[in-house]
Amino acid sequence: DTAVSQTPKYLVTQMGNDKSIKCEQNLGHDTMYWYKQDSKKFLKIMFSYNNKELIINETVPNRFSPKSPDKAHLNLHINSLELGDSAVYFCASSQAEIGQGGIGGYTFGSGTRLTVV
Amino acid sequence: AQSVTQLGSHVSVSEGALVLLRCNYSSSVPPYLFWYVQYPNQGLQLLLKYTSAATLVKGINGFEAEFKKSETSFHLTKPSAHMSDAAEYFCAVTRGGGATNKLIFGTGTLLAVQP
Repeated sequence: DTAVSQTPKYLVTQMGNDKSIKCEQNLGHDTMYWYKQDSKKFLKIMFSYNNKELIINETVPNRFSPKSPDKAHLNLHINSLELGDSAVYFCASSQAEIGQGGIGGYTFGSGTRLTVV
Repeated sequence: AQSVTQLGSHVSVSEGALVLLRCNYSSSVPPYLFWYVQYPNQGLQLLLKYTSAATLVKGINGFEAEFKKSETSFHLTKPSAHMSDAAEYFCAVTRGGGATNKLIFGTGTLLAVQP
């Protein structure tokens, strides 16, 4: 039973299109994240959510809009896709603050490879 | 601000040889440190973590790391490399758990294991 699952695994689309990536975790974690891994394998946080509330927005273009319908789901919608958006996007989840049983580390999904052509 | 620096973007060892992947951190508060491994076309898997308990941390697949505050280091080692260890390894740091604290990654070290 996959802990953090993302769909789709691969996404190829044309510039200007709008696309979504879905993420679900069954670990009971309070916090979920989106990370972007570029072509040089550098990982950078984009967003974090805690119990459906946006906490971190790391100066990401507003074409990227995360949505969290409940604490087990965090989706990423991208409008007007650009060539530079091509990357691997990882969803992750973690437990809450240290006093509440953290810090166990982040659990990552297997990633969504987005290619914009 | 926190950061980690991984020395050596590529490390090559022979099968059976010692693996040493270097990570130095910068943090204004006591850090929590992690090592993750990424196999080709896969997600990140947690190898081990330091959360202010024992300074020598043992992880999965025979890896271990030692937290040295005086050297601000958290190097990853394995006594004997196996072909299956070939992967990208990431060191990461955070101030704590929860959504307000970011997990900040180093630039990664690609480990190659020669037969």
